[in-house]
Amino acid sequence: DAKTTQPPSMDCAEGRAANLPCNHSTISGNEYVYWYRQIHSQGPQYIIHGLKNNETNEMASLIITEDRKSSTLILPHATLRDTAVYYCIVRDNSGYSTLTFGKGTMLLVSP
Amino acid sequence: DSGVTQTPKHLITATGQRVTLRCSPRSGDLSVYWYQQSLDQGLQFLIHYYNGEERAKGNILERFSAQQFPDLHSELNLSSLELGDSALYFCASSVEILGRAFFGQGTRLTVV
Repeated sequence: DAKTTQPPSMDCAEGRAANLPCNHSTISGNEYVYWYRQIHSQGPQYIIHGLKNNETNEMASLIITEDRKSSTLILPHATLRDTAVYYCIVRDNSGYSTLTFGKGTMLLVSP
Repeated sequence: DSGVTQTPKHLITATGQRVTLRCSPRSGDLSVYWYQQSLDQGLQFLIHYYNGEERAKGNILERFSAQQFPDLHSELNLSSLELGDSALYFCASSVEILGRAFFGQGTRLTVV
């Protein structure tokens, strides 16, 4: 069963913010939200992760709702090179948890 | 460059054959993960090793096996290959058993 729900595709104009939503209504208290992306046929790339608080790094910001049932990945100034499939994953950090990739969101950044 | 090295980059082989894919994790990373990505299946988790021990198994076929060696590199062995095994195979590593993993560029396997 899918733990996350993402829209299959989104468009964004170059230079604008890309806001990618993810629903994870069954997330449990010890599960983190991770975001990865995969540029065509390359290895997936880690972007950011969080538990409860909003997080920001050099690539993106992660906004997690207070009830933790959904989150939004924000690319503040999208470029053409941000065109990729973006995956939202929930997992705990126990020794037996895995990174399970769903279908993700195909983000197309256009000039 | 993620620091994870996979060899070979491309492999073409015939049905029924056996191949070995190799993964060198980032220096110091104890965890190695293997994934398969075919066109119609997305990224499928195969297996996870931590410091030489198998930690988790996904949808890995019995024809497939893996191991992690004392120097922490890992090999994925695929035998009795079928056309449907054609896919990209990715290896990832992480310093601990956490979710921040670094992926290699993959091995593209074509079975003809």
